[in-house]
Amino acid sequence: SQKIEQNSEALNIQEGKTATLTCNYTNYSPAYLQWYRQDPGRGPVFLLLIRENEKEKRKERLKVTFDTTLKQSLFHITASQPADSATYLCALVPFSGGYNKLIFGAGTRLAVHP
Amino acid sequence: GAVVSQHPSRVICKSGTSVKIECRSLDFQATTMFWYRQFPKQSLMLMATSNEGSKATYEQGVEKDKFLINHASLTLSTLTVTSAHPEDSSFYICSAKGQVGTEAFFGQGTRLTVV
Repeated sequence: SQKIEQNSEALNIQEGKTATLTCNYTNYSPAYLQWYRQDPGRGPVFLLLIRENEKEKRKERLKVTFDTTLKQSLFHITASQPADSATYLCALVPFSGGYNKLIFGAGTRLAVHP
Repeated sequence: GAVVSQHPSRVICKSGTSVKIECRSLDFQATTMFWYRQFPKQSLMLMATSNEGSKATYEQGVEKDKFLINHASLTLSTLTVTSAHPEDSSFYICSAKGQVGTEAFFGQGTRLTVV
C-alpha cells in the first residue's frame, strides 16, 4: 500500500542545535516533495520544494535532502530557535494525477527548548 | 508567498443545517483549488480537487452530495457542508495553486463544530 511516514513522536531539542526530521514514502513515484510548517489551529505554510532530480535544497537555516533510492527526505533546521517549534509536514506530488495532488504525511511535532 | 484567505475561521452550527466555507486567492489566479479535512494530530486528507469552471473531482469515500464544491472563478472556491452532523465536525483547509508544478498556498483553515 502507499504510505508517507513521519515520526509521530515529538522531537525535543535544545535551542541552537540542528533539528532533523524524516519523511519516508512507500509505493509512490514523487515528481517533487514539499515541506510545510503548521501551527496549532492554522493552515500549513509552505517552506521548501525539492524535485525528484535534485539532491539538496537550502533556504536560510533550512535544508532539505531527497534520496529517491532510499525513498526518503530529510528536513534540517540549523541553529534552531524556540520560534521554530511547530508541526512540520512533508507532502509529495506523484507523477500520476497531473502533478496536482499533494499527499501529506501526518507531521512531526518539533519543540525547541531555550 | 501568495495569500489565500479562508472564511470563516470558526463556525458552530446546528445539526441538519448547511455551512458554506469560502476560499479566496487574493493576489494570484488559482487555476486549481483543493479542499482538505484534518482530524487532531492526523494528516491532511484531500477531499476534492476543483478547477475553475469545471466540476470538482472527489477522492474516494467523499460524498459529493454532502460536500458541495463550487469553483466559480479563478479566485474563489466554496465548500458547502450540507445537512451537517456532529461527525462532520473537523478542521477544513483549502489550498490554491496557480500553475502545474508550483507550490500550493493554504488558507488559515476553518474549525467546524456541529452541535
